[in-house]
Amino acid sequence: GENVEQHPSTLSVQEGDSAVIKCTYSDSASNYFPWYKQELGKGPQLIIDIRSNVGEKKDQRIAVTLNKTAKHFSLHITETQPEDSAVYFCAASASGGSYIPTFGRGTSLIVHP
Amino acid sequence: GAGVSQSPSNKVTEKGKDVELRCDPISGHTALYWYRQSLGQGLEFLIYFQGNSAPDKSGLPSDRFSAERTGGSVSTLTIQRTQQEDSAVYLCASSLWAGGSYEQYFGPGTRLTVT
Repeated sequence: GENVEQHPSTLSVQEGDSAVIKCTYSDSASNYFPWYKQELGKGPQLIIDIRSNVGEKKDQRIAVTLNKTAKHFSLHITETQPEDSAVYFCAASASGGSYIPTFGRGTSLIVHP
Repeated sequence: GAGVSQSPSNKVTEKGKDVELRCDPISGHTALYWYRQSLGQGLEFLIYFQGNSAPDKSGLPSDRFSAERTGGSVSTLTIQRTQQEDSAVYLCASSLWAGGSYEQYFGPGTRLTVT
Protein backbone atom coordinates (compact mmCIF):
# COMPACT_ATOMS: atom_id res chain seq x y z
CA GLY A 1 0.00 0.00 0.00
CA GLU A 2 0.88 3.66 -0.09
CA ASN A 3 3.28 5.16 2.46
CA VAL A 4 3.54 8.92 2.95
CA GLU A 5 6.39 10.49 4.91
CA GLN A 6 6.12 14.13 6.01
CA HIS A 7 8.84 16.44 7.35
CA PRO A 8 9.40 18.32 9.52
CA SER A 9 7.06 17.38 12.34
CA THR A 10 7.39 20.88 13.80
CA LEU A 11 8.30 24.12 12.06
CA SER A 12 8.76 27.45 13.80
CA VAL A 13 9.16 30.65 11.75
CA GLN A 14 8.98 34.38 12.23
CA GLU A 15 6.08 36.30 10.72
CA GLY A 16 6.93 37.22 7.14
CA ASP A 17 9.29 34.31 6.60
CA SER A 18 8.60 31.44 4.22
CA ALA A 19 7.72 27.92 5.34
CA VAL A 20 8.30 24.70 3.42
CA ILE A 21 6.85 21.29 4.28
CA LYS A 22 7.95 18.22 2.34
CA CYS A 23 6.32 14.86 1.70
CA THR A 24 7.40 11.72 -0.08
CA TYR A 25 5.20 8.86 -1.25
CA SER A 26 5.84 5.32 -2.37
CA ASP A 27 3.06 4.25 -4.76
CA SER A 28 3.73 5.32 -8.34
CA ALA A 29 -0.01 4.96 -9.05
CA SER A 30 -0.78 7.95 -6.82
CA ASN A 31 -1.91 10.92 -8.87
CA TYR A 32 -3.71 13.24 -6.46
CA PHE A 33 -1.90 15.15 -3.71
CA PRO A 34 -3.97 17.37 -1.42
CA TRP A 35 -2.82 19.49 1.50
CA TYR A 36 -5.03 20.03 4.52
CA LYS A 37 -4.82 22.61 7.31
CA GLN A 38 -6.14 21.70 10.74
CA GLU A 39 -6.72 24.45 13.27
CA LEU A 40 -7.10 23.67 16.94
CA GLY A 41 -10.38 21.93 17.72
CA LYS A 42 -11.44 21.69 14.08
CA GLY A 43 -11.35 19.11 11.34
CA PRO A 44 -8.79 19.35 8.53
CA GLN A 45 -9.67 21.65 5.63
CA LEU A 46 -8.31 21.45 2.10
CA ILE A 47 -6.09 24.42 1.24
CA ILE A 48 -4.58 23.33 -2.07
CA ASP A 49 -4.19 20.21 -4.15
CA ILE A 50 -2.23 19.12 -7.19
CA ARG A 51 -2.69 16.39 -9.74
CA SER A 52 0.08 14.51 -11.45
CA ASN A 53 -0.34 16.20 -14.79
CA VAL A 54 1.09 19.46 -13.41
CA GLY A 55 4.32 20.26 -11.61
CA GLU A 56 3.34 23.35 -9.68
CA LYS A 57 0.22 25.14 -8.54
CA LYS A 58 -0.15 28.49 -6.77
CA ASP A 59 -2.92 30.14 -4.84
CA GLN A 60 -1.95 33.51 -3.44
CA ARG A 61 0.67 32.88 -0.72
CA ILE A 62 0.47 29.11 -1.03
CA ALA A 63 2.11 26.93 -3.64
CA VAL A 64 2.61 23.21 -4.09
CA THR A 65 5.26 21.53 -6.23
CA LEU A 66 5.29 17.92 -7.40
CA ASN A 67 8.18 15.81 -8.63
CA LYS A 68 6.71 12.50 -9.83
CA THR A 69 10.07 11.05 -10.76
CA ALA A 70 11.39 11.49 -7.25
CA LYS A 71 7.97 10.84 -5.69
CA HIS A 72 7.95 13.95 -3.56
CA PHE A 73 5.81 17.04 -3.23
CA SER A 74 6.11 20.17 -1.13
CA LEU A 75 3.97 22.94 0.31
CA HIS A 76 5.36 26.46 0.26
CA ILE A 77 3.85 29.28 2.26
CA THR A 78 5.28 32.75 1.68
CA GLU A 79 4.93 35.86 3.86
CA THR A 80 3.69 33.77 6.76
CA GLN A 81 1.18 35.27 9.18
CA PRO A 82 0.22 34.22 12.72
CA GLU A 83 -3.08 32.87 11.40
CA ASP A 84 -1.11 30.36 9.33
CA SER A 85 -0.25 28.61 12.61
CA ALA A 86 -1.88 25.17 12.44
CA VAL A 87 -1.14 21.53 11.70
CA TYR A 88 -0.68 20.76 8.01
CA PHE A 89 -1.22 17.32 6.50
CA CYS A 90 -0.19 16.07 3.10
CA ALA A 91 -1.90 13.12 1.46
CA ALA A 92 -1.56 10.95 -1.60
CA SER A 93 -4.11 8.86 -3.44
CA ALA A 94 -4.96 7.43 -6.82
CA SER A 95 -8.06 7.53 -8.94
CA GLY A 96 -10.34 4.55 -8.76
CA GLY A 97 -13.08 3.37 -6.45
CA SER A 98 -10.87 1.34 -4.16
CA TYR A 99 -8.31 4.03 -3.43
CA ILE A 100 -8.29 5.74 -0.07
CA PRO A 101 -6.07 8.77 0.62
CA THR A 102 -3.02 8.09 2.76
CA PHE A 103 -2.05 10.96 5.05
CA GLY A 104 1.30 12.09 6.37
CA ARG A 105 1.76 12.45 10.12
CA GLY A 106 1.37 16.21 10.02
CA THR A 107 3.53 19.30 10.55
CA SER A 108 2.83 21.73 13.34
CA LEU A 109 3.60 25.20 11.95
CA ILE A 110 4.10 27.99 14.47
CA VAL A 111 4.37 31.54 13.17
CA HIS A 112 5.75 33.96 15.74
CA PRO A 113 4.53 37.57 15.47
CA GLY B 1 -24.31 25.26 2.85
CA ALA B 2 -24.13 22.85 5.73
CA GLY B 3 -20.89 21.00 6.18
CA VAL B 4 -20.18 17.65 7.77
CA SER B 5 -21.50 17.44 11.30
CA GLN B 6 -20.57 15.03 14.05
CA SER B 7 -22.10 14.27 17.40
CA PRO B 8 -21.41 14.31 20.20
CA SER B 9 -18.51 16.76 20.13
CA ASN B 10 -17.13 15.24 23.31
CA LYS B 11 -17.77 11.89 24.94
CA VAL B 12 -16.41 10.61 28.22
CA THR B 13 -17.08 6.98 28.96
CA GLU B 14 -15.93 4.33 31.38
CA LYS B 15 -13.75 1.48 30.26
CA GLY B 16 -15.84 -1.43 29.09
CA LYS B 17 -18.84 0.62 27.98
CA ASP B 18 -20.07 0.83 24.37
CA VAL B 19 -20.19 4.14 22.52
CA GLU B 20 -21.82 5.36 19.32
CA LEU B 21 -20.48 8.25 17.30
CA ARG B 22 -22.58 9.86 14.62
CA CYS B 23 -21.66 11.53 11.33
CA ASP B 24 -23.96 13.54 9.05
CA PRO B 25 -22.18 13.98 5.70
CA ILE B 26 -22.83 16.68 3.16
CA SER B 27 -26.02 15.90 1.27
CA GLY B 28 -25.32 14.16 -2.01
CA HIS B 29 -21.81 13.02 -1.13
CA THR B 30 -21.40 9.39 -2.08
CA ALA B 31 -18.21 8.60 -0.16
CA LEU B 32 -17.80 8.67 3.62
CA TYR B 33 -14.67 8.02 5.64
CA TRP B 34 -13.92 7.54 9.33
CA TYR B 35 -10.47 8.38 10.73
CA ARG B 36 -8.94 8.28 14.19
CA GLN B 37 -6.53 10.95 15.34
CA SER B 38 -4.59 10.32 18.53
CA LEU B 39 -2.88 13.18 20.35
CA GLY B 40 -0.20 14.66 18.14
CA GLN B 41 -0.61 11.95 15.55
CA GLY B 42 -1.74 11.81 11.97
CA LEU B 43 -4.97 10.52 10.55
CA GLU B 44 -5.47 6.78 10.92
CA PHE B 45 -7.94 5.40 8.38
CA LEU B 46 -10.68 3.24 9.88
CA ILE B 47 -13.45 2.55 7.36
CA TYR B 48 -14.73 3.81 4.01
CA PHE B 49 -18.22 3.73 2.51
CA GLN B 50 -18.66 4.16 -1.21
CA GLY B 51 -22.22 4.50 -2.44
CA ASN B 52 -24.03 1.18 -2.18
CA SER B 53 -20.87 -0.92 -2.33
CA ALA B 54 -19.64 -3.00 0.57
CA PRO B 55 -17.56 -0.84 2.92
CA ASP B 56 -13.78 -1.08 3.10
CA LYS B 57 -13.17 -2.09 6.71
CA SER B 58 -9.45 -2.70 6.33
CA GLY B 59 -8.48 0.01 8.82
CA LEU B 60 -10.59 -1.09 11.76
CA PRO B 61 -8.15 -1.93 14.59
CA SER B 62 -10.20 -4.72 16.16
CA ASP B 63 -13.58 -6.43 16.02
CA ARG B 64 -14.77 -4.10 18.77
CA PHE B 65 -15.08 -1.43 16.08
CA SER B 66 -17.94 -1.40 13.58
CA ALA B 67 -19.73 1.16 11.46
CA GLU B 68 -22.79 1.41 9.32
CA ARG B 69 -24.19 3.91 6.91
CA THR B 70 -27.95 4.03 6.59
CA GLY B 71 -29.69 5.14 3.43
CA GLY B 72 -26.43 6.30 1.93
CA SER B 73 -26.33 9.22 4.35
CA VAL B 74 -25.85 9.18 8.12
CA SER B 75 -23.13 6.95 9.51
CA THR B 76 -22.60 5.57 12.99
CA LEU B 77 -19.27 4.31 14.34
CA THR B 78 -19.70 1.93 17.27
CA ILE B 79 -16.96 0.95 19.67
CA GLN B 80 -17.81 -1.92 21.98
CA ARG B 81 -16.16 -2.60 25.33
CA THR B 82 -14.09 0.57 25.11
CA GLN B 83 -10.46 0.54 26.22
CA GLN B 84 -8.28 3.44 27.32
CA GLU B 85 -6.28 3.19 24.11
CA ASP B 86 -9.46 4.05 22.21
CA SER B 87 -9.21 7.61 23.54
CA ALA B 88 -8.75 9.86 20.51
CA VAL B 89 -10.53 12.27 18.22
CA TYR B 90 -12.70 10.46 15.68
CA LEU B 91 -13.08 12.35 12.43
CA CYS B 92 -15.60 11.77 9.69
CA ALA B 93 -15.18 13.05 6.14
CA SER B 94 -17.28 12.91 3.01
CA SER B 95 -16.53 13.55 -0.63
CA LEU B 96 -18.73 14.08 -3.63
CA TRP B 97 -17.46 11.05 -5.45
CA ALA B 98 -15.54 7.97 -4.47
CA GLY B 99 -12.15 7.11 -5.85
CA GLY B 100 -9.66 8.94 -3.67
CA SER B 101 -9.00 11.88 -5.94
CA TYR B 102 -11.68 14.22 -4.74
CA GLU B 103 -11.61 16.77 -1.92
CA GLN B 104 -12.60 15.41 1.44
CA TYR B 105 -14.74 17.57 3.71
CA PHE B 106 -14.10 16.86 7.36
CA GLY B 107 -16.37 17.25 10.33
CA PRO B 108 -15.13 18.82 13.59
CA GLY B 109 -14.62 15.43 15.18
CA THR B 110 -15.75 13.67 18.33
CA ARG B 111 -13.25 13.67 21.18
CA LEU B 112 -13.58 10.34 22.98
CA THR B 113 -12.09 9.91 26.44
CA VAL B 114 -12.15 6.48 28.05
CA THR B 115 -11.56 6.58 31.81
